[in-house]
Amino acid sequence: EVQLQESGPGLVKPSQSLSLTCSVTGYSITSNYWGWIRKFPGNKMEWIGHISYSGSTSYNPSLKSRISITRDTSKNQFFLQLNSVTTEDTATYYCARSEGLDWGQGVMVTVSS
Amino acid sequence: DIQMTQSPPSLSASLGDKVTITCQASQNINKYIAWYQQKPGKAPRQLIRYTSTLVSGTPSRFSGSGSGRDYSFSISNVESEDIASYYCLQYDNLPYTFGAGTKLELK
Repeated sequence: EVQLQESGPGLVKPSQSLSLTCSVTGYSITSNYWGWIRKFPGNKMEWIGHISYSGSTSYNPSLKSRISITRDTSKNQFFLQLNSVTTEDTATYYCARSEGLDWGQGVMVTVSS
Repeated sequence: DIQMTQSPPSLSASLGDKVTITCQASQNINKYIAWYQQKPGKAPRQLIRYTSTLVSGTPSRFSGSGSGRDYSFSISNVESEDIASYYCLQYDNLPYTFGAGTKLELK
């Protein structure tokens, strides 16, 4: 059974960086695609980006200048870094396999001073 | 970006009803649409992928259809456990994009 688990701070100050980790069990991240999705307080969902089995990345152009998705295959983890956050980045962040075949339980991140 | 217009925003149904949600894409998405169910405080759960393929564990009362720009998702014989929000996602073109969601409530 594939399981994904997000971890990271629940509160980030404006202008700082948001860093999240997704730990995967039951499936190697060297197969398939692994992505980040967020859900805003108003319920809008946004695909952030993904990292492929080979390590190549694709990002949402709306965030491209601020984000980085990386991985550590030895730990079967992948990571999201979102720079220069504002209050508009407040959301629940999910990691997911492929186009959402499997999801983590989500981590709520609030951007506030 | 491909825009996904999902309707209705909310839906009220009685147990046993059939309900239908639609998503219209701003361009042809070649059947690369998935449908998700989300309950409060829970992660989304994929129910259908590639327009009409039921994901393992999805009850047969759920179905999907469509082609080109127009797609639909139906629940026949609504059960109480189906009360949730539903989203479509196109994954034909990057960036993937979601519909705005439909909240299904009991009448």
